Amino acid sequence: GQQVMQIPQYQHVQEGEDFTTYCNSSTTLSNIQWYKQRPGGHPVFLIQLVKSGEVKKQKRLTFQFGEAKKNSSLHITATQTTDVGTYFCAEEYGNKLVFGAGTILRVKS
Amino acid sequence: DVKVTQSSRYLVKRTGEKVFLECVQDMDHENMFWYRQDPGLGLRLIYFSYDVKMKEKGDIPEGYSVSREKKERFSLILESASTNQTSMYLCASSFGPGNEQFFGPGTRLTVL
Repeated sequence: GQQVMQIPQYQHVQEGEDFTTYCNSSTTLSNIQWYKQRPGGHPVFLIQLVKSGEVKKQKRLTFQFGEAKKNSSLHITATQTTDVGTYFCAEEYGNKLVFGAGTILRVKS
Repeated sequence: DVKVTQSSRYLVKRTGEKVFLECVQDMDHENMFWYRQDPGLGLRLIYFSYDVKMKEKGDIPEGYSVSREKKERFSLILESASTNQTSMYLCASSFGPGNEQFFGPGTRLTVL
């Protein structure tokens, strides 16, 4: 079935360091969504990217959609302890979303 | 605010039991989804529904069935629970198939 690859699986950073997670697909994506799941919580929608080369910012978070619409990234500048959790990308495929395996972010204070 | 609720946060059942997981959303969403979440595997779609009484298999439907008799309610049924169905089950809903999904708090099911 359709698959979106997400890397890294896990990252442990010092508070104040930057963090990036990447999603890659073998096919052209119509759009991509990003979700965050806090420890013990449920996934919460962050953003959707639709256009080729699109860049969107939410405070310290920067989301990018590749020019070929086959990859996307989420970059967090100067991580804080409140950023801990699992970040998922998801691609639209037919009537459903296909989620990446997620990147677990841990922040050392 | 969209609210998606699930009937239980934690559930413990025995092998062979029939298990019902209920999900209710209050935003008149057309689409509802059931996922299971296991470490390292992300969210895997079990079943989804885009209308009352309509259902479609997701990526891992084996051992599960669903029911959607009313628009706001989507039930996941484990006909005969097995230990490999021990997992976190998440329900979600969305206005349209490609729209953002709103998740419930999840049910952690343990099958002994």
